Amino acid sequence: RKEVEQDPGPFNVPEGATVAFNCTYSNSASQSFFWYRQDCRKEPKLLMSVYSSGNEDGRFTAQLNRASQYISLLIRDSKLSDSATYLCVVNERNSGTYKYIFGTGTRLKVLA
Amino acid sequence: EPEVTQTPSHQVTQMGQEVILRCVPISNHLYFYWYRQILGQKVEFLVSFYNNEISEKSEIFDDQFSVERPDGSNFTLKIRSTKLEDSAMYFCASSLPIAGANYEQYFGPGTRLTVT
Repeated sequence: RKEVEQDPGPFNVPEGATVAFNCTYSNSASQSFFWYRQDCRKEPKLLMSVYSSGNEDGRFTAQLNRASQYISLLIRDSKLSDSATYLCVVNERNSGTYKYIFGTGTRLKVLA
Repeated sequence: EPEVTQTPSHQVTQMGQEVILRCVPISNHLYFYWYRQILGQKVEFLVSFYNNEISEKSEIFDDQFSVERPDGSNFTLKIRSTKLEDSAMYFCASSLPIAGANYEQYFGPGTRLTVT
């Protein structure tokens, strides 16, 4: 089983649509969780951290289910500028140090 | 807003040559990382660095790779003898370890390494 698994997409949605991405992770000891956004040939940019209680930032809502080892991202009222690859990231701890494990990313294209 | 910077943005080198990729992490951050992304593939962890030593390294980070923090600001990745398969985007990242925080990492714009 892959460490962090995502549907690669692409998801093609019209402007204004709501779209949801899912991610599963294999290491139950993972410490923290994030969604990053990556534009073509650019660096990953932090979109939001993901907390067990669920958290919202404007049009973006993230959820974490530790029991199912599942993370989700919901984008409401999608804009053309939301077109990007969304990376599910798990932060693993090993003897006091941390490292990120990335999913392959889900491509989103928002169409006019 | 403070940011991670990397130089050069693009490096072309011949197989077997040594390259040094440079990064300036965010100034008050204490953990530093290198990741790589081969075109069309996922971002992969290479190495983490804390308190002037390597904390963890991946299987990719073999004897051909080394990291250094030569002064108070720069963090470098050296590849001693480049191979064609080292061609990738190399990202530097840094984080500030705050107790109870999520240890968010912030990434530089990357150096695209092309080995010919």
